[in-house]
Amino acid sequence: GAVVSQHPSRVICKSGTSVKIECRSLDFQATTMFWYRQFPKKSLMLMATSNEGSKATYEQGVEKDKFLINHASLTLSTLTVTSAHPEDSSFYICSARLISNTEAFFGQGTRLTVV
Amino acid sequence: GEDVEQSLFLSVREGDSSVINCTYTDSSSTYLYWYKQEPGAGLQLLTYIFSNMDMKQDQRLTVLLNKKDKHLSLRIADTQTGDSAIYFCAEKLRAGTALIFGKGTTLSVSS
Repeated sequence: GAVVSQHPSRVICKSGTSVKIECRSLDFQATTMFWYRQFPKKSLMLMATSNEGSKATYEQGVEKDKFLINHASLTLSTLTVTSAHPEDSSFYICSARLISNTEAFFGQGTRLTVV
Repeated sequence: GEDVEQSLFLSVREGDSSVINCTYTDSSSTYLYWYKQEPGAGLQLLTYIFSNMDMKQDQRLTVLLNKKDKHLSLRIADTQTGDSAIYFCAEKLRAGTALIFGKGTTLSVSS
């Protein structure tokens, strides 16, 4: 089946620093990738939709200058959390969809802790 | 509006059947999904159903869709302790759009 890999799976960073999370589709091409944030005991909140070769579309309330998304190729999208604060600590999950396919495949998630 | 609702907890005994329910509000959903999330892990797609179907079976999993009532259920037969996880119901409204998730149902299986 299609595999989506996220890296790193866990990261701890200091307040004020930036952290980059990678999302790769390993065995398929994905024109669209989605970035979600999951709060404890809450559902997944869509942060942004990332399209290859164009600017990401952010959901209302998500700061695009803080959460930088780059989708440089059909197999890689990155999320950079800039000037991280402790309230940015969360579980971030990416999702990629095969071109003209109904299924969305998810990465294993990245646990970000900002201290 | 877009809203997906699920009960938050379900507790069953090993060997029993589990039924996780989900309701959604948008009748234009094209596909509906069930995902499983184990602690600290990402989401694993279990199954999905097209909105013009009313049932789909895949081994121990049975999905029932009542489009009139906008109700989706996932039945797990012969539930095992390894089935303990959070189960998310999700809908897709249009091609290329992100999924809209419920808050997840935590399934606890006791032996």
